[in-house]
Amino acid sequence: AQKITQTQPGMFVQEKEAVTLDCTYDTSDPSYGLFWYKQPSSGEMIFLIYQGSYDQQNATEGRYSLNFQKARKSANLVISASQLGDSAMYFCAMRFTGGGNKLTFGTGTQLKVEL
Amino acid sequence: DAMVIQNPRYQVTQFGKPVTLSCSQTLNHNVMYWYQQKSSQAPKLLFHYYDKDFNNEADTPDNFQSRRPNTSFCFLDIRSPGLGDAAMYLCATSRASGSSYNEQFFGPGTRLTVL
Repeated sequence: AQKITQTQPGMFVQEKEAVTLDCTYDTSDPSYGLFWYKQPSSGEMIFLIYQGSYDQQNATEGRYSLNFQKARKSANLVISASQLGDSAMYFCAMRFTGGGNKLTFGTGTQLKVEL
Repeated sequence: DAMVIQNPRYQVTQFGKPVTLSCSQTLNHNVMYWYQQKSSQAPKLLFHYYDKDFNNEADTPDNFQSRRPNTSFCFLDIRSPGLGDAAMYLCATSRASGSSYNEQFFGPGTRLTVL
């Protein structure tokens, strides 16, 4: 079975600092994709970044980067230069090729950015 | 802008009174999903449509039904809402893809209250 684990229910970071949100996964499927979504208090899920299992380089999107360690089965999200607007819930999710179109979500990490 | 729209954003219903939530998309995506998200939890997939093919999750209660009259619209019907059905309901869409890259685009959600 596919499983996503986020072990940090809550994180605090000071404005302008970098923060790492942890995500580990378990799958026996060799082909899979890992996604990070941001969910502000308004409720909408916002796609941030994607990493494919065969990608050679770590994904980056602006201030977001993904620290992908395939052997350890981890896909941690790094947010650089945190802003107050980054305060939100962050979900790691996985899609594996054998699973159709479905995403499996982790339990999320609530990030609070402080002045 | 292409998007996923959910109406209404907030819905209040009475215990046992049927309610319908609406989702529409301008992305022309094949796949549409309905998720239930309770407070401080990860989204839970209820079902999804691949074109007109309906795919129910094994643990989705019979109380939840869905209709997809055309590519653009999808409805979630709750036949007899209970207090435990109070949640945020998220609609999402994606292209059908055999690869692991399959970003899902989410609507803003409908927050359902059951009195």
